[in-house]
Amino acid sequence: RKEVEQDPGPFNVPEGATVAFNCTYSNSASQSFFWYRQDCRKEPKLLMSVYSSGNEDGRFTAQLNRASQYISLLIRDSKLSDSATYLCVVKGGGYNKLIFGAGTRLAVHP
Amino acid sequence: EPEVTQTPSHQVTQMGQEVILRCVPISNHLYFYWYRQILGQKVEFLVSFYNNEISEKSEIFDDQFSVERPDGSNFTLKIRSTKLEDSAMYFCASREGRAVEQYFGPGTRLTVT
Repeated sequence: RKEVEQDPGPFNVPEGATVAFNCTYSNSASQSFFWYRQDCRKEPKLLMSVYSSGNEDGRFTAQLNRASQYISLLIRDSKLSDSATYLCVVKGGGYNKLIFGAGTRLAVHP
Repeated sequence: EPEVTQTPSHQVTQMGQEVILRCVPISNHLYFYWYRQILGQKVEFLVSFYNNEISEKSEIFDDQFSVERPDGSNFTLKIRSTKLEDSAMYFCASREGRAVEQYFGPGTRLTVT
C-alpha cells in the first residue's frame, strides 16, 4: 500500500465550481498533514496545514479524519489560477521528513 | 517575504561527473532538507540536516551523495559520480525550529547525459 494515495485526476471543472480532493495515508503514527500546490515544473508551495479540527483559508477548506486516515481539500468558487497539481503531504516522526502523494491535477476552464 | 533560493536553475552534466547543487535557506531556519522529483513522478525525500549533521536520510541517499553547510548561509548537495537516473528536479527546503511547515526553493533541474 502506498504511504500517501491520491486520485491523480485530472479534474476538469468550470470557473466557479466547487471541487473536492481526497487523500489517504497508511501510517497511523503520522503527525502533521499539509496540502501543497505545484505548478508545472515548479516547486511545491504550501497551501495550508491540516488540523484535526479542520481549517479554512478563504475559498479553501481542509479536513482531517485520523480514524479513517483520510484528508480532504475543498476548493470553492474555482478560479482559472487554481489550475495546478495539489499534493497531499504527510509528516512522519523524527526530523520532519515529508512524504508526498503523487498529486491530483486540477484544470479550471472558462 | 523570505524565500529559499537555489542555484543553478539548470545544470547539464555528463555521466560520471561530480555536481554541486547550492541552496540558501531562509535565514532564521534551522532544519534543512533535500528532495528530488523525477519527471512525472512524486517528490521524494533525500536527506534532512540539523545542527551540522545529517539527521535522517532515505535509501536513495547513498554514498554518492553528500551534504554540507560550508558557511552560515549555504547548504549544498553533492553528487560524486552522476548517473543517468540522477536526472531530476532537486528541491531544497527549510523550516523554523518550532514550526512543522517546510518551504521549498525553486529547484535545480539536473540533466545527466
